[in-house]
Amino acid sequence: KNEVEQSPQNLTAQEGEFITINCSYSVGISALHWLQQHPGGGIVSLFMLSSGKKKHGRLIATINIQEKHSSLHITASHPRDSAVYICAVRGYGGSQGNLIFGKGTKLSVKP
Amino acid sequence: NAGVTQTPKFQVLKTGQSMTLQCAQDMNHEYMSWYRQDPGMGLRLIHYSVGAGITDQGEVPNGYNVSRSTTEDFPLRLLSAAPSQTSVYFCASSRTVTNSPLHFGNGTRLTVT
Repeated sequence: KNEVEQSPQNLTAQEGEFITINCSYSVGISALHWLQQHPGGGIVSLFMLSSGKKKHGRLIATINIQEKHSSLHITASHPRDSAVYICAVRGYGGSQGNLIFGKGTKLSVKP
Repeated sequence: NAGVTQTPKFQVLKTGQSMTLQCAQDMNHEYMSWYRQDPGMGLRLIHYSVGAGITDQGEVPNGYNVSRSTTEDFPLRLLSAAPSQTSVYFCASSRTVTNSPLHFGNGTRLTVT
């Protein structure tokens, strides 16, 4: 079993729809990252969470430490949101340097 | 502000050749790391560093060497390239080991024939 599982693997939405991408993990973590990889290949950091909820524009990320689960929400989706969204977790103590990644969720938003 | 600079963007090697992928950051970041990305596998950590002179292995370190002689630079060396090392490589840095967002380079597409 992978330590970081993302769902769904692929997601197609119509412009304007509310989108949710899920990330579940099985290890204790000190932080969770949400990343966006554009079709051209570049990777940008969207959020870093250790508790609660963060919002940036139309993007919202939440984390539930007890349930070992995080969600990334996109409100009023737009074709420019089409990308691969990647969840990554960082462990504690001696494993803090180690990041474990999910396999990504490929989002396609149709106009 | 250049951020994280990775070179080269593309490279083709023959089996057995050696090469160095360069990674430099100008943000005085403590943490630097190398990943490879393969289809269906997601990103996997090769090596990381939590400061100058300190490096450690990630999930897939075999066949790769790193060093961190300065805060700015974190080169990745392939000593004897193998076709299994064909991949896209990313370098990333963050201000601290924990609780800091990651900054990624633009990636290097490496093909080993």
